[in-house]
Amino acid sequence: DAKTTQPNSMESNEEEPVHLPCNHSTISGTDYIHWYRQLPSQGPEYVIHGLTSNVNNRMASLAIAEDRKSSTLILHRATLRDAAVYYCILRDPIVAGSYQLTFGKGTKLSVIP
Amino acid sequence: EAGVAQSPRYKIIEKRQSVAFWCNPISGHATLYWYQQILGQGPKLLIQFQNNGVVDDSQLPKDRFSAERLKGVDSTLKIQPAKLEDSAVYLCASSAREGRETQYFGPGTRLLVL
Repeated sequence: DAKTTQPNSMESNEEEPVHLPCNHSTISGTDYIHWYRQLPSQGPEYVIHGLTSNVNNRMASLAIAEDRKSSTLILHRATLRDAAVYYCILRDPIVAGSYQLTFGKGTKLSVIP
Repeated sequence: EAGVAQSPRYKIIEKRQSVAFWCNPISGHATLYWYQQILGQGPKLLIQFQNNGVVDDSQLPKDRFSAERLKGVDSTLKIQPAKLEDSAVYLCASSAREGRETQYFGPGTRLLVL
């Protein structure tokens, strides 16, 4: 089972920032926090990941709480192309050096023109 | 760089028939995953390969599903016989090497079992 909790859906106006929350109260010290998104009729795509510090890349920013029990994916200016289901995932180690991703239902983000 | 390729994109079959899906991962990627995504749910891992060996197939319904990755490159997922509840999108993903976090997904094969 997925070990994260996300809202089922969120809405945002185009060109405004979006903050997508994720709770992971049972996170272990070695779990990385990953975000993937799935555009309609496509496979998921990687967005960002982090362990303890906040992370930025060209797609988004990831803000991680100091106790690591929650995180927030930040899209700085939502576009219509950002309408997707966003998954917050904790990486599960199964064997040394090999990791699985367990997807929950994610948050469906709608962007309003 | 070419992405993960899957075929066919769509398949409609009747229950109790057989079906096979094909996946070609990104060149050089050692790890290959097959996921099942039922409508309205997130993807569920069915099987994970490292080169041509199985790392984890604990969620693969082995009475009807089988998968192979001969020569550690392409992979085939087969369902025989199909049930109505197998209607889903079957996604293939690959990652560069053992321990690399990023998985790259193909577009998926949408299966409808009538």
